[in-house]
Amino acid sequence: AQSVTQLDSQVPVFEEAPVELRCNYSSSVSVYLFWYVQYPNQGLQLLLKYLSGSTLVKGINGFEAEFNKSQTSFHLRKPSVHISDTAEYFCAVILDSGGGADGLTFGKGTHLIIQP
Amino acid sequence: ETGVTQTPRHLVMGMTNKKSLKCEQHLGHNAMYWYKQSAKKPLELMFVYNFKEQTENNSVPSRFSPECPNSSHLFLHLHTLQPEDSALYLCASSQERQGQFGYTFGSGTRLTVV
Repeated sequence: AQSVTQLDSQVPVFEEAPVELRCNYSSSVSVYLFWYVQYPNQGLQLLLKYLSGSTLVKGINGFEAEFNKSQTSFHLRKPSVHISDTAEYFCAVILDSGGGADGLTFGKGTHLIIQP
Repeated sequence: ETGVTQTPRHLVMGMTNKKSLKCEQHLGHNAMYWYKQSAKKPLELMFVYNFKEQTENNSVPSRFSPECPNSSHLFLHLHTLQPEDSALYLCASSQERQGQFGYTFGSGTRLTVV
């Protein structure tokens, strides 16, 4: 079965500074990769996804992520954060063969805290 | 508006009560899911329905009973819950079971068991 590790449970960053949220995954077969964001008292919203092709993918709200197959990583980055980016961020994977028994598998999440 | 609507948004119930959570999607998706989100734990996949057929039940206690009457509606029936069942319950849908387009989530139902 696949698994996802988000190494940081909490990341404090000053406003307008760059940020990187780390994600590593484990799977014996190919996967699709996703980043979701959850604002307080809301559900999860898709930020971006990697299916195939270019390893650098761009998403909404100025976020981007880079797929690194050799390091089994899919780190999320933003060059300049805003107060409104304060939220919980989840990395997720799904088998590219059709979902599998586990469906979309999530990491534990990283709480991004933007400090003024 | 995410396209996936969950009701109620908040629910407080006693351990002997029976209640139901409702999820509705108008995206034309064929697969629907229930996830449990507890503090300090990863999201846990509870049930999967594909074309109205339940395909996965990840060892969820029988006090949780799902129902999918059609491709647009999904219910989670609750009875004799325990305090540790208090959590945010999220419904999601996807185009197909493959999910490569991502899942669309509802805003969740915050359940408190007293």
